[in-house]
Amino acid sequence: DQQVKQNSPSLSVQEGRISILNCDYTNSMFDYFLWYKKYPAEGPTFLISISSIKDKNEDGRFTVFLNKSAKHLSLHIVPSQPGDSAVYFCAASVGAGNNRKLIWGLGTSLAVNP
Amino acid sequence: DGGITQSPKYLFRKEGQNVTLSCEQNLNHDAMYWYRQDPGQGLRLIYYSQIVNDFQKGDIAEGYSVSREKKESFPLTVTSAQKNPTAFYLCASSITSAGELFFGEGSRLTVL
Repeated sequence: DQQVKQNSPSLSVQEGRISILNCDYTNSMFDYFLWYKKYPAEGPTFLISISSIKDKNEDGRFTVFLNKSAKHLSLHIVPSQPGDSAVYFCAASVGAGNNRKLIWGLGTSLAVNP
Repeated sequence: DGGITQSPKYLFRKEGQNVTLSCEQNLNHDAMYWYRQDPGQGLRLIYYSQIVNDFQKGDIAEGYSVSREKKESFPLTVTSAQKNPTAFYLCASSITSAGELFFGEGSRLTVL
């Protein structure tokens, strides 16, 4: 049972336009959400995060929006650049202390076309 | 430079052989993790350790073993009991179990 769902396996966007990557979750106990970016044959790198007590977090071209009532978050990349082409993973954190766990989505492959 | 080093980057082994993947970090992080990535499967947690000399099974621990004798090191052994060992293996660390993960470059294991 996938608790963190990225329903779009792939997304194609024109350079300079906005990329919107979506993530849905089922567990209302998730209290922290993270986005990671991954190039082929490399480890993921942390991109941006948001606490469940916020609805928006912005870092340069990257903004994450959280809609708790809909159990939905999205990552906006504006403007999109060819170097943004990668797989983007959404992850959600739950639990306390040693029982804290990170639950991952399956990823969305973004292609930014020049 | 601080970071996580995984070795080897590529490894080929015959079926039935045990294989150990190395993971070293100099970030002074307490927690370390091993993930496996297969096409279309996302990241699946194999084992994790939040402190030296202690580790817990993740979601797919069968056929794997780990040790955490030093804070900096968290090697993963893929044993012959692992039914489908060919995969991309990722090691990660974090300051605490709640923190952002820092990943190594990964190790691609191919069993022939």
